[in-house]
Amino acid sequence: EPEVTQTPSHQVTQMGQEVILRCVPISNHLYFYWYRQILGQKVEFLVSFYNNEISEKSEIFDDQFSVERPDGSNFTLKIRSTKLEDSAMYFCASRSASGGAFGTDTQYFGPGTRLTVL
Amino acid sequence: SQKIEQNSEALNIQEGKTATLTCNYTNYSPAYLQWYRQDPGRGPVFLLLIRENEKEKRKERLKVTFDTTLKQSLFHITASQPADSATYLCALDTAGGFKTIFGAGTRLFVKA
Repeated sequence: EPEVTQTPSHQVTQMGQEVILRCVPISNHLYFYWYRQILGQKVEFLVSFYNNEISEKSEIFDDQFSVERPDGSNFTLKIRSTKLEDSAMYFCASRSASGGAFGTDTQYFGPGTRLTVL
Repeated sequence: SQKIEQNSEALNIQEGKTATLTCNYTNYSPAYLQWYRQDPGRGPVFLLLIRENEKEKRKERLKVTFDTTLKQSLFHITASQPADSATYLCALDTAGGFKTIFGAGTRLFVKA
């Protein structure tokens, strides 16, 4: 079964450094998402991406964050200057665009990247 | 803003019993609602989706109901097994499906 992959599985960085989290969505999917989950808290939406542009973003997704689909397979999340509170698990998800109602499409989540900011 | 509430307390049940989890939402009229399973340190895994015009949906030992008047969904696992122990998340899509809001989840423990 096709799956979403994410690298690295764990990233440790110093506060103020830039990090790039990478995701390879399922190949025929067209909708891409990033979520984060701080330890012990709920999964929080960050951003969605379709047709090479951001579709929606949350209040968490401020100017320090950016997303990119640099080629036909990768989807990246960049945090320009990390803060301690950015420490969390970051999940990428993708969704296909099949015919019919959008709601019939399942979001497939990757295994996550654990980001630790020291 | 839209809110989703799930029982914050863990649910402990005996193997073979039916587990029932609750999801309530406010300030929204969703076209559908989803349930996911999340194991520790892993990403959510989709389980079931139920539409506003469906009262009930089943998949193997799982059953979901959706009451748009009460703004509530119930998630049932029948004949529960220790392997069903996990956190179960309720989720709503907003913004035409471009944004998904998750509840905090309910932790289920099934004892052998």
